[in-house]
Amino acid sequence: ELKVEQNPLFLSMQEGKNYTIYCNYSTTSDRLYWYRQDPGKSLESLFVLLSNGAVKQEGRLMASLDTKARLSTLHITAAVHDLSATYFCAVDRAIKAAGNKLTFGGGTRVLVKP
Amino acid sequence: GAGVSQTPSNKVTEKGKYVELRCDPISGHTALYWYRQSLGQGPEFLIYFQGTGAADDSGLPNDRFFAVRPEGSVSTLKIQRTERGDSAVYLCASSSYGLNEQFFGPGTRLTVL
Repeated sequence: ELKVEQNPLFLSMQEGKNYTIYCNYSTTSDRLYWYRQDPGKSLESLFVLLSNGAVKQEGRLMASLDTKARLSTLHITAAVHDLSATYFCAVDRAIKAAGNKLTFGGGTRVLVKP
Repeated sequence: GAGVSQTPSNKVTEKGKYVELRCDPISGHTALYWYRQSLGQGPEFLIYFQGTGAADDSGLPNDRFFAVRPEGSVSTLKIQRTERGDSAVYLCASSSYGLNEQFFGPGTRLTVL
């Protein structure tokens, strides 16, 4: 059974500082995703990581993937209040009829304080 | 519409009642997924449709849950004899092909009293 674990579960950040969220998964997978979720809202796709060593950056967020270690990291540079949200990683696995089932981590709730 | 839409946005019902939740995928998307997100947790897979057929329903928790997609577009998730433990946000996602990236709708928050 595929399991995805994130840590920390909660991260209190100070504006201007750097932080990292970790995502471990238990078995080989096809792709890894990072999503952002604001309270009461749906999931916003941030990154899709396809292969070992993949690195993607958008603004203050950078995601990387190490498939050998089954580890992805989401790095936040110089945190700002707008980044307060819950971040989820998810791993997909091909299923019947060419579908892909996402298995999510438990989420990391980020609160950026001034 | 540009994105996945779900109705209603909120549904409050009493224990034992029947509910239907609707999902309109992005036009042209053949793959449709339902997930359930309990408070403070990540979404969990329920069912996957490719076209009109339920290709994988391994995530449905029990036989009170059923979903249809009769014309290969709109899907309805049906829950019979609701229980308080069914309270959650039900998310729908679609993709242009099963293996492509999924785009999520805003969800339906179901509360069973």
